[in-house]
Amino acid sequence: DIHLTQSPSSLSASVGDTVTLTCRTSQTISSYVIWYQQRPGKAPKLLIHAASSLQSGVPSRFSGTGSGTDFTLTISSLQPEDFATYYCQQSYSVPWTFGQGTKVEV
Amino acid sequence: EVQLVEAGGGLVNPGGSLRLSCATSGFTFSHSTMNWVRQAAGKGLEWVSSISSDGNYIYYADSVKGRFTISRDKAKNSLYLHMNTLRDDDTAVYYCARGAAEFDNWGQGTLVTVSS
Repeated sequence: DIHLTQSPSSLSASVGDTVTLTCRTSQTISSYVIWYQQRPGKAPKLLIHAASSLQSGVPSRFSGTGSGTDFTLTISSLQPEDFATYYCQQSYSVPWTFGQGTKVEV
Repeated sequence: EVQLVEAGGGLVNPGGSLRLSCATSGFTFSHSTMNWVRQAAGKGLEWVSSISSDGNYIYYADSVKGRFTISRDKAKNSLYLHMNTLRDDDTAVYYCARGAAEFDNWGQGTLVTVSS
């Protein structure tokens, strides 16, 4: 199974900040990484697929980069609604696996 | 508008069984791979099972293999998860999600609690 490690586990930020979240995979997976946002009590929401492709309707302040084993999600100019937990997932091979999440909090 | 609505969660004794359902609308169900993903309270996401659009390809996480069965009903545009021999660590919110490998639409989830 492919293991994903996200860092940091949590971070504190303010509205207007730019934050970068990292996801590292246990083996090389090209660009087969997806990023989700999950607000408290809500279902996850797909933000980015194929490491850097923005899902339709997602604000352009979200961006993703990376290939191989190292991937990042950057949120520019944090908005109040962006305070949430973010998960990466690999879509390279079954079983689909997720990172443990990064909580972005005030 | 794509909608996924889970039902069937509840409290069940260890060793018991439960069937979850996911009613869908707003997209062509018969063309879509469907999945179950769960999340224990305060924990991360765990993929549980996937079923291809035609039902011919089915996959399970090792943690549920042999105990859970995923199925779909094209006529009812619905997805199911039959859960047997439930354990304490199966306690979680169960989400149905659409997508072959990236999950672009999710239901609101249904809570399964395994406890005596």
